[in-house]
Amino acid sequence: GQGVEQPDNLMSVEGTFARVNCTYSTSGFNGLSWYQQREGHAPVFLSYVVLDGLKDSGHFSTFLSRSNGYSYLLLTELQIKDSASYLCAVRDNYAQGLTFGLGTRVSVFP
Amino acid sequence: EAAVTQSPRSKVAVTGGKVTLSCHQTNNHDYMYWYRQDTGHGLRLIHYSYVADSTEKGDIPDGYKASRPSQENFSLILELASLSQTAVYFCASSDRTNTGQLYFGEGSKLTVL
Repeated sequence: GQGVEQPDNLMSVEGTFARVNCTYSTSGFNGLSWYQQREGHAPVFLSYVVLDGLKDSGHFSTFLSRSNGYSYLLLTELQIKDSASYLCAVRDNYAQGLTFGLGTRVSVFP
Repeated sequence: EAAVTQSPRSKVAVTGGKVTLSCHQTNNHDYMYWYRQDTGHGLRLIHYSYVADSTEKGDIPDGYKASRPSQENFSLILELASLSQTAVYFCASSDRTNTGQLYFGEGSKLTVL
């Protein structure tokens, strides 16, 4: 079996940063994705990582450690509009879609 | 711009009735998926397809059927709708070379009474 775990909530202050953690256990591993989902809307793709290390995408970065079954999404220079749920998803088989975590609701305050 | 459209966007059905949710994509993607999203459960995979005229069971297929008559279209069918199937349903597509990047439709909110 497999599972993807994320904290439920995270609060941060505008202009600072937020790190959203994700731990997973899978029978095989073929990549990990991050999505942003605003209330009442569909998930939107942010990043996909398959190799260990940090991937910088400007406003956010993603880190992966396959040996530890761990990833994080780092949001920098937070803006109020970054308030949303962030979903971690793991691909363990090429054809079976993604297994999603429950998501972390990030709230950014002035 | 990738485009996945779902219909209907919202539906109220009666218990025991038949419901069909439709999905159309213009991305020229091979893979299509149906997920449901519930509070406390997140997104869960119901059915998926990697080629026209073929569908595969996902993690929670019981009570659902799927149909992929063409590359562009993928339907989810609830033959006998039940209260527990009240949820938001998302269709998604992906290219065969990067199935980590799904393009989602805007969702279909189904309420079964």
